[in-house]
Amino acid sequence: GENVEQHPSTLSVQEGDSAVIKCTYSDSASNYFPWYKQELGKGPQLIIDIRSNVGEKKDQRIAVTLNKTAKHFSLHITETQPEDSAVYFCAASRRYSSASKIIFGSGTRLSIRP
Amino acid sequence: GAGVSQSPSNKVTEKGKDVELRCDPISGHTALYWYRQSLGQGLEFLIYFQGNSAPDKSGLPSDRFSAERTGGSVSTLTIQRTQQEDSAVYLCASSLEPTNTEAFFGQGTRLTVV
Repeated sequence: GENVEQHPSTLSVQEGDSAVIKCTYSDSASNYFPWYKQELGKGPQLIIDIRSNVGEKKDQRIAVTLNKTAKHFSLHITETQPEDSAVYFCAASRRYSSASKIIFGSGTRLSIRP
Repeated sequence: GAGVSQSPSNKVTEKGKDVELRCDPISGHTALYWYRQSLGQGLEFLIYFQGNSAPDKSGLPSDRFSAERTGGSVSTLTIQRTQQEDSAVYLCASSLEPTNTEAFFGQGTRLTVV
């Protein structure tokens, strides 16, 4: 069945440094890759997404890259700040398909050290 | 409010009892998802609705779990004869299909089976 693997499970970086989270997916028909941020006691919130016809997308300090051949995608956060501390989830789905369920990775707990 | 609403926010129940969890999606959103998040774990897919039908219920862990959606809006997830391993946060999300792609999550229902 479909599977999304996410690494690392925990990540601690110094404030101001960059953080990178990596994911791989198994379903070659996946064409939509969102990233969610979950703060304590809250539901996940979309922070950025990328579609299969795009290799890279940036939004201020956040960027995502996608390698469809290798079925890898990554989240990059630059100039990290204390408010970036949270759990991050990658996900994959087949958008615009009847098989539209979103499969999530196991999450990365990111801690920003002051 | 304009977001996804889940109720109750917390539920403590005795082993063997039945529970119903409710999700009010964002108005007009045709797609609705249920996920389960165990402590410190990722998001486990349970079921996906498109309108009132469930094209994918492959994630329901046993026949004790069922879900329905009426009027293309509110959904209820029912767990019969609850077990301690059912203790988790149950998250609901909705999205506007097929023209939009972002899934918006509620804050979840924390279920504790004692």
